[in-house]
Amino acid sequence: KQEVTQIPAALSVPEGENLVLNCSFTDSAIYNLQWFRQDPGKGLTSLLLIQSSQREQTSGRLNASLDKSSGRSTLYIAASQPGDSATYLCAVKWQGAQKLVFGQGTRLTINP
Amino acid sequence: EAGVAQSPRYKIIEKRQSVAFWCNPISGHATLYWYQQILGQGPKLLIQFQNNGVVDDSQLPKDRFSAERLKGVDSTLKIQPAKLEDSAVYLCASSSLTRIRAFFGQGTRLTVV
Repeated sequence: KQEVTQIPAALSVPEGENLVLNCSFTDSAIYNLQWFRQDPGKGLTSLLLIQSSQREQTSGRLNASLDKSSGRSTLYIAASQPGDSATYLCAVKWQGAQKLVFGQGTRLTINP
Repeated sequence: EAGVAQSPRYKIIEKRQSVAFWCNPISGHATLYWYQQILGQGPKLLIQFQNNGVVDDSQLPKDRFSAERLKGVDSTLKIQPAKLEDSAVYLCASSSLTRIRAFFGQGTRLTVV
């Protein structure tokens, strides 16, 4: 079964720290992987998308990496700010499939 | 470009009542998705349309849930009758055939009491 797992479910860090969020997936035959941000009561905002042929993608203070062989992706957030507080979701689209399969999310809190 | 529009934003109903949600995707997007997100969980795909046709409805509880996308544009998702466990946020998303990303609406938060 194709599944996506995110651990931990919640993370709290002081402002200014660099941090890493983890995502693991079964079945390495992925098409792409996306990281989303979800603010309370809001929809999902796509942050970064990594194609299966890529190893990483960067946008501002965010860097996402992909290691298909180990079934892992990480989202690195540099110099965290209180405005980064949100739930971060990882989603995978596998080859031959149409849908995105989401992890449970990591609820991130940045303390001023 | 205008985003994915959903209505209503919030809905409270009693169990066994019926409810309908509406989604208007981004103009020109052929693919439309309905996801269910239960509190503390990631979104789960209920149904995916490509134009008028259903691509995947394997996780749609068809005894109580139905969805349609007439004319390949906007879509409605209906629950009848609702159960307590249907309390969730219902997210609509759309994507074009040539673009990889899906764009999500704000969602409809349903509470069944």
